[in-house]
Amino acid sequence: NAGVTQTPKFQVLKTGQSMTLQCAQDMNHNSMYWYRQDPGMGLRLIYYSASEGTTDKGEVPNGYNVSRLNKREFSLRLESAAPSQTSVYFCASSDSAGVGNSPLHFGNGTRLTVT
Amino acid sequence: SQKIEQNSEALNIQEGKTATLTCNYTNYSPAYLQWYRQDPGRGPVFLLLIRENEKEKRKERLKVTFDTTLKQSLFHITASQPADSATYLCAHNTNAGKSTFGDGTTLTVKP
Repeated sequence: NAGVTQTPKFQVLKTGQSMTLQCAQDMNHNSMYWYRQDPGMGLRLIYYSASEGTTDKGEVPNGYNVSRLNKREFSLRLESAAPSQTSVYFCASSDSAGVGNSPLHFGNGTRLTVT
Repeated sequence: SQKIEQNSEALNIQEGKTATLTCNYTNYSPAYLQWYRQDPGRGPVFLLLIRENEKEKRKERLKVTFDTTLKQSLFHITASQPADSATYLCAHNTNAGKSTFGDGTTLTVKP
């Protein structure tokens, strides 16, 4: 049981390049999330998907797009990377976004550097 | 909007002592507060959840309290061990599923 798997683990991009961060969960969870974590700013929600077929913006969506490919997979795309997007990106899943007591299960992150 | 504040960036204690971490929230009382542990280079791992109408929750050496008057949750680790050294995050969850996290408190337990 792998839980939440993120790829790649590390990535270096030049300004203006694009890339897609992949995330998959094997817990049959309905909801999936993308967070970024920066020193002194904690975890901030970028986008989330309450259920298959739906996506919504979080706190910091600008510069990102997402796709909920199926129940298992939720990808995050940077179309034109900027240095301000240098961060650690975490994918998470939960049983239900509609229930506030559903804990989040996180992957181990993608460390992205944009030069 | 709701803000979660974890007052201490770092806490250093001696092995065997009780560690107490603080989480304060502004504005409205959250329905739930969750506590996570994060080790370097890893994602956060869920530890405990406490509901608004619960005053205290326990799990092994962990205890969480929720005081709606003070707008505060306290997270205690009793009989602390060096293996408890990590960053601990407090999170507020809305029923829409969006979580707001504090910046975390890094606990170091010295042998």
